[in-house]
Amino acid sequence: SQQGEEDPQALSIQEGENATMNCSYKTSINNLQWYRQNSGRGLVHLILIRSNEREKHSGRLRVTLDTSKKSSSLLITASRAADTASYFCATAVNQAGTALIFGKGTTLSVSS
Amino acid sequence: EPEVTQTPSHQVTQMGQEVILRCVPISNHLYFYWYRQILGQKVEFLVSFYNNEISEKSEIFDDQFSVERPDGSNFTLKIRSTKLEDSAMYFCASSEANPGQGRTFFGQGTRLTVV
Repeated sequence: SQQGEEDPQALSIQEGENATMNCSYKTSINNLQWYRQNSGRGLVHLILIRSNEREKHSGRLRVTLDTSKKSSSLLITASRAADTASYFCATAVNQAGTALIFGKGTTLSVSS
Repeated sequence: EPEVTQTPSHQVTQMGQEVILRCVPISNHLYFYWYRQILGQKVEFLVSFYNNEISEKSEIFDDQFSVERPDGSNFTLKIRSTKLEDSAMYFCASSEANPGQGRTFFGQGTRLTVV
């Protein structure tokens, strides 16, 4: 797998349900960032978790990071139709590197 | 929250023409980037720019591409002799520190269509 691979590729849920998306990566990282992209629009930064952090919360978002498994998960609780979007993880491979490596994303559909 | 601004939002150009995509990064940011996303594919890094020079570039960023910070607020991507396969969404981004240390903020993108 490539650096930053999300799983599943697509997820369909009902409003009010929780959505969990996973991201795996290959190399050591300094941090991992999650982004949301509404169809055909820009990338909105959701949350950054550093390599020395295990869990982070922001509103209805909860991100975990397991560096031993080289994986991260994004949990959206009590989902809303407005959460319908693609979600990407992005990794900065090292502290000096200037490139973010993106995964292919998970497309989330929340129906009301 | 401050935003990265990109213009135009859409650009249609004929194959072989040159295009310039424009960006205004967040004002106190020091690092600037261009990424692209071909329809249905992942976001790909093109180039990063710091201290008035390119700090890193990908294999995609060949001689066809160039970047410039013409003044204190704008950051541009020039694509010379456009090809059909250059059709994509191009994102400008900026950050206070490099991505290994902090958040990177993206603009809304310019959708480039080469016909």
